[in-house]
Amino acid sequence: AQKITQTQPGMFVQEKEAVTLDCTYDTSDPSYGLFWYKQPSSGEMIFLIYQGSYDQQNATEGRYSLNFQKARKSANLVISASQLGDSAMYFCAMREGRDGANNLFFGTGTRLTVIP
Amino acid sequence: DVKVTQSSRYLVKRTGEKVFLECVQDMDHENMFWYRQDPGLGLRLIYFSYDVKMKEKGDIPEGYSVSREKKERFSLILESASTNQTSMYLCASSLFGASGRSYEQYFGPGTRLTVT
Repeated sequence: AQKITQTQPGMFVQEKEAVTLDCTYDTSDPSYGLFWYKQPSSGEMIFLIYQGSYDQQNATEGRYSLNFQKARKSANLVISASQLGDSAMYFCAMREGRDGANNLFFGTGTRLTVIP
Repeated sequence: DVKVTQSSRYLVKRTGEKVFLECVQDMDHENMFWYRQDPGLGLRLIYFSYDVKMKEKGDIPEGYSVSREKKERFSLILESASTNQTSMYLCASSLFGASGRSYEQYFGPGTRLTVT
């Protein structure tokens, strides 16, 4: 079974609007971490936001927030006030376990296009 | 700032050649990773290392080997390159997780390898 599922291959959003990128995960480990990365056309992977499985509140970083619904095993990324520079591939990833090598499992990604 | 560098952005090799991809990080990270990225498949882990001379297989190690003789350097080796190894290769590093803390991975710019 896939550990990380991103069901939206592509999304479009109007500039200045908010957009939600979906991510569901599968793990039986009670301790895990969820990450979102952005990959612009230049190719580098940029870390955006992190949510730990024991964190009580949803993570936020500027215009990015993570809608963490533990019972549903979902960790959707919300981007508010979209900008043209937000056009990129977005990857959801998960780390299982408490300690160690921080090995990540990645989803297949969602390509976001911001329309002026 | 963490910096992860990769020896080449673009590389073209012939079938059967031995190929070395080098990765260097300058932040004293314990963990280093090699991924390959293919359209529609996301990032897949090839090998990772959590210490000098230590290595662990990821999801797709076949056809690859790695070397970590120094903490800052992690090399990916294609012993006999094949056309199905044409891909984008991404190196990453992170701190070693402890006490339940998850650390994000920092990525290099990637090497686009073409095997003809």
